[in-house]
Amino acid sequence: AQSVAQPEDQVNVAEGNPLTVKCTYSVSGNPYLFWYVQYPNRGLQFLLKYITGDNLVKGSYGFEAEFNKSQTSFHLKKPSALVSDSALYFCAVRDDNYGQNFVFGPGTRLSVLP
Amino acid sequence: SAVISQKPSRDICQRGTSLTIQCQVDSQVTMMFWYRQQPGQSLTLIATANQGSEATYESGFVIDKFPISRPNLTFSTLTVSNMSPEDSSIYLCSVNREGTEAFFGQGTRLTVV
Repeated sequence: AQSVAQPEDQVNVAEGNPLTVKCTYSVSGNPYLFWYVQYPNRGLQFLLKYITGDNLVKGSYGFEAEFNKSQTSFHLKKPSALVSDSALYFCAVRDDNYGQNFVFGPGTRLSVLP
Repeated sequence: SAVISQKPSRDICQRGTSLTIQCQVDSQVTMMFWYRQQPGQSLTLIATANQGSEATYESGFVIDKFPISRPNLTFSTLTVSNMSPEDSSIYLCSVNREGTEAFFGQGTRLTVV
């Protein structure tokens, strides 16, 4: 079965500092990994994905994530946080053994303090 | 990419009534997905809607409570039946294509009073 863990419910960071939002996953086949962001009263917006290839993927709004197969992790990072980055972040996985179903992590609330 | 229009965006309903949520996609897709996001929680898949066949429901969700229609390749509806306050959630429609990300509607925020 597929599963996704986001070990931190809340991450606080000062504006201008680097941020990391952690994600680990468990799949039986090859993982397709995704990060989404949800702003208040909005749907989910796609940030980036890892399908294959380079372990470091770059996405929208200056975010990037590093796929680490040995640690089964896919942490989201940004070199310099903005107050406008404050939102709820979801890591998701698709296992190519399970078709097109996505499994979402519990979410991490990021607060960037001015 | 895909543009997904979902309506209503929000509603307040009386317990015991039903609400039908509509989802329109700007291109043809084989499968459409319905998720529930309870307050402060992550997304949980309710069912997968396939055109021309019955929807496939996840464990804990049943057709009598969440009937789904999929009349064509660009449209689906989800009905929340006989509502109770526990059904208060955000309901999200989603599509994805093989090997790519999922795209989401803006969600329907349902409050049952």
